[in-house]
Amino acid sequence: AQSVTQPDIHITVSEGASLELRCNYSYGATPYLFWYVQSPGQGLQLLLKYFSGDTLVQGIKGFEAEFKRSQSSFNLRKPSVHWSDAAEYFCAVGVPSGGSYIPTFGRGTSLIVHP
Amino acid sequence: DAMVIQNPRYQVTQFGKPVTLSCSQTLNHNVMYWYQQKSSQAPKLLFHYYDKDFNNEADTPDNFQSRRPNTSFCFLDIRSPGLGDTAMYLCATTGGGFSTDTQYFGPGTRLTVL
Repeated sequence: AQSVTQPDIHITVSEGASLELRCNYSYGATPYLFWYVQSPGQGLQLLLKYFSGDTLVQGIKGFEAEFKRSQSSFNLRKPSVHWSDAAEYFCAVGVPSGGSYIPTFGRGTSLIVHP
Repeated sequence: DAMVIQNPRYQVTQFGKPVTLSCSQTLNHNVMYWYQQKSSQAPKLLFHYYDKDFNNEADTPDNFQSRRPNTSFCFLDIRSPGLGDTAMYLCATTGGGFSTDTQYFGPGTRLTVL
């Protein structure tokens, strides 16, 4: 069965600093990989996804992620964090099922941004 | 323009009193999902529909049921809520094609069982 590990429960950065959130996955085949952001009391918003092709994926809000098969990782990065980026971030792996896919989420990383 | 709408946004119910949560979508997507998210935890898939085909996760309690009367609407019924069912319930949709598919989430319904 597939699984996702986000080793950091909380990450604190200063506004303007760079950010990297870690994600490792376990899946027997090439995975579909996703990063979502969730603001308090809200649903999840997709930041970016990887299905195939270029391993460096650009997303919304200035985020990017790199798929590294050898490390089973899909880390999320942003060069300069804004205070509005403070939120919960979820990495997910999608497993094909019928005509769609079933995402399995990591436990999330809470991003705290200091002014 | 809201694409996945959940009603109500907040629901309080009593232990054992049935409750129904609603999800509607304007995207004409084939696939609809229901997730349960407890405080500070990852969303956990309860079940999903591909068109009318219902797919239940193996560990979803029998207490949780779902209906999808048409493409646009999907309901989550909790027949006898327990205190442990207090959570955010998220609805999501996808079009059903892998290569360009994006999963859209609704804002969630926060359910409190007293």
